[in-house]
Amino acid sequence: AQTVTQSQPEMSVQEAETVTLSCTYDTSESDYYLFWYKQPPSRQMILVIRQEAYKQQNATENRFSVNFQKAAKSFSLKISDSQLGDAAMYFCAYRSVMDSNYQLIWGAGTKLIIKP
Amino acid sequence: GAVVSQHPSWVICKSGTSVKIECRSLDFQATTMFWYRQFPKQSLMLMATSNEGSKATYEQGVEKDKFLINHASLTLSTLTVTSAHPEDSSFYICSARSTRGFSYGYTFGSGTRLTVV
Repeated sequence: AQTVTQSQPEMSVQEAETVTLSCTYDTSESDYYLFWYKQPPSRQMILVIRQEAYKQQNATENRFSVNFQKAAKSFSLKISDSQLGDAAMYFCAYRSVMDSNYQLIWGAGTKLIIKP
Repeated sequence: GAVVSQHPSWVICKSGTSVKIECRSLDFQATTMFWYRQFPKQSLMLMATSNEGSKATYEQGVEKDKFLINHASLTLSTLTVTSAHPEDSSFYICSARSTRGFSYGYTFGSGTRLTVV
């Protein structure tokens, strides 16, 4: 069974600086999807970024980018120019291409604190 | 973009009563709905997966008779917590599978905080 590990329960960063959140996963599959979701204090889950495993190019969305290392099964999220609004729980998630139910497998989450 | 409306956002009920939580996909058809439970400072725990017109598939350890899920249409899924007890107090989130825009994959409701007293 696939697992997702987020080894950093909490991270803090100074406003305007860069922070990297780590995520590793375990799978025997070659094709899958990886996601980073943000859950702010409102608790609304928001998709930050998505990566297809077959794509070698790292996904980017404005200040958010990933470092996808398929061989190492690593999927870290880099947030550049951190803003106060980035403060949230961040969850890494995995989805198997083979799963007909499209279920997500979630990491434990990392709480990101932004220091003004 | 794809929107899932979840109601109520919070509810307090007495022990032994039932509570219904609704999730509506407003601008797309949700063929699959996921129901999660989230404890404070923890990750999402999948309770069940429902496909429109079919019986829900419950995760191991989730009581199907306590947590009734109905997905009768492509735009509405409901979770009913029957005979609620204080240990059912939690944050419940629905997520619909969508195929629109950047949210391709999953759209989440805003969650329901259930408190059983």
